[in-house]
Amino acid sequence: EAGVAQSPRYKIIEKRQSVAFWCNPISGHATLYWYQQILGQGPKLLIQFQNNGVVDDSQLPKDRFSAERLKGVDSTLKIQPAKLEDSAVYLCASSSARRGREQFFGPGTRLTVL
Amino acid sequence: AQSVTQPDIHITVSEGASLELRCNYSYGATPYLFWYVQSPGQGLQLLLKYFSGDTLVQGIKGFEAEFKRSQSSFNLRKPSVHWSDAAEYFCAVGAYYGGATNKLIFGTGTLLAVQP
Repeated sequence: EAGVAQSPRYKIIEKRQSVAFWCNPISGHATLYWYQQILGQGPKLLIQFQNNGVVDDSQLPKDRFSAERLKGVDSTLKIQPAKLEDSAVYLCASSSARRGREQFFGPGTRLTVL
Repeated sequence: AQSVTQPDIHITVSEGASLELRCNYSYGATPYLFWYVQSPGQGLQLLLKYFSGDTLVQGIKGFEAEFKRSQSSFNLRKPSVHWSDAAEYFCAVGAYYGGATNKLIFGTGTLLAVQP
């Protein structure tokens, strides 16, 4: 089966600009996650979707970050405006209850904010 | 609150030597525990997981981990390291509510270097 797809793989922007990341989960996976991984740290959950509804967005900086999952499949994470501290790798993951709750991760998008 | 501690930031081992990466967790209930590996520029790949049952868990690539409730630990081991094992390793605890999948809480990772 195809894995989790993410694009772009790399993005460089200047502070105060906006940026969007796209994720296509594994087919049939109802749950989708966005994680932020800052250099030298483990991934931190930003938002979790169950189908197209938000389950947990408690650590999403809602003044600048937004995410949506239209039709319960693809998802987009947006940052507007970006700050220097947003430089990180943004990982998308998906899971299915049938697969023992294992989360499958995409390759990530490396964001550099100058 | 749930947390994961990986006390070793960086470890270097010789090829063929044994390996043990430490992981301690804090969680109020029975934990779901995971080890992931991340190679440069790659996403996270699951090595193994513990949900219940046998406390010694076998994973891919010859890795195993042992859950010790009394020590709140879930250390990762491999009897003989290969150069291709050089990567960053993350321990994680899964917080689940109401039977639904929930978030993973990761440690800060251990970077493994393998010398010839």
